[in-house]
Amino acid sequence: GQNIDQPTEMTATEGAIVQINCTYQTSGFNGLFWYQQHAGEAPTFLSYNVLDGLEEKGRFSSFLSRSKGYSYLLLKELQMKDSASYLCAAMDSNYQLIWGAGTKLIIKP
Amino acid sequence: GAVVSQHPSRVICKSGTSVKIECRSLDFQATTMFWYRQFPKQSLMLMATSNEGSKATYEQGVEKDKFLINHASLTLSTLTVTSAHPEDSSFYICSAATGTAPYEQYFGPGTRLTVT
Repeated sequence: GQNIDQPTEMTATEGAIVQINCTYQTSGFNGLFWYQQHAGEAPTFLSYNVLDGLEEKGRFSSFLSRSKGYSYLLLKELQMKDSASYLCAAMDSNYQLIWGAGTKLIIKP
Repeated sequence: GAVVSQHPSRVICKSGTSVKIECRSLDFQATTMFWYRQFPKQSLMLMATSNEGSKATYEQGVEKDKFLINHASLTLSTLTVTSAHPEDSSFYICSAATGTAPYEQYFGPGTRLTVT
């Protein structure tokens, strides 16, 4: 079956760094997406990885290892506004997104 | 670019009535649109996938006669919740994809439906 696993909740301190892990099992693979979702709002796109390695975009970076079925989202210089849920989604061979349950990130001052 | 609008943002309706939610891609043509439902503190649940000009593909457990989806143009899809009941109260989110790699989905702002 198809499955995405990510931690339910994480807590970090303002100004620090946090890494949110995601493991996936899909029928075929066409890339790994990370989305940010604030409470009561729709998800917004953060990153896309289809090749192994690290993609850096400002304070956010995303890593992919296809052989391990593993990705992580790295957030640096955490700000209070980064408090949100972070959704990992893998795209299968039918180009359908398989969604994780999301990781709620709590930032403390 | 890649803006998706959704209307209404909030709706309250009485049990037994029908509600229509519109999803529009404002600055691109969306060959595929997706409808999701999200209950509090839960992840997105895909309800159906619709391609312009063809019938929607519903996920297992989603009643196609209750959740009517129309994707009449490359910029508009509608979801009609028929004979709504309180258990249909949820956050409904649409997304749109261009049909070209990487097939990223652009999300609308969502519609909060409350059925009384």
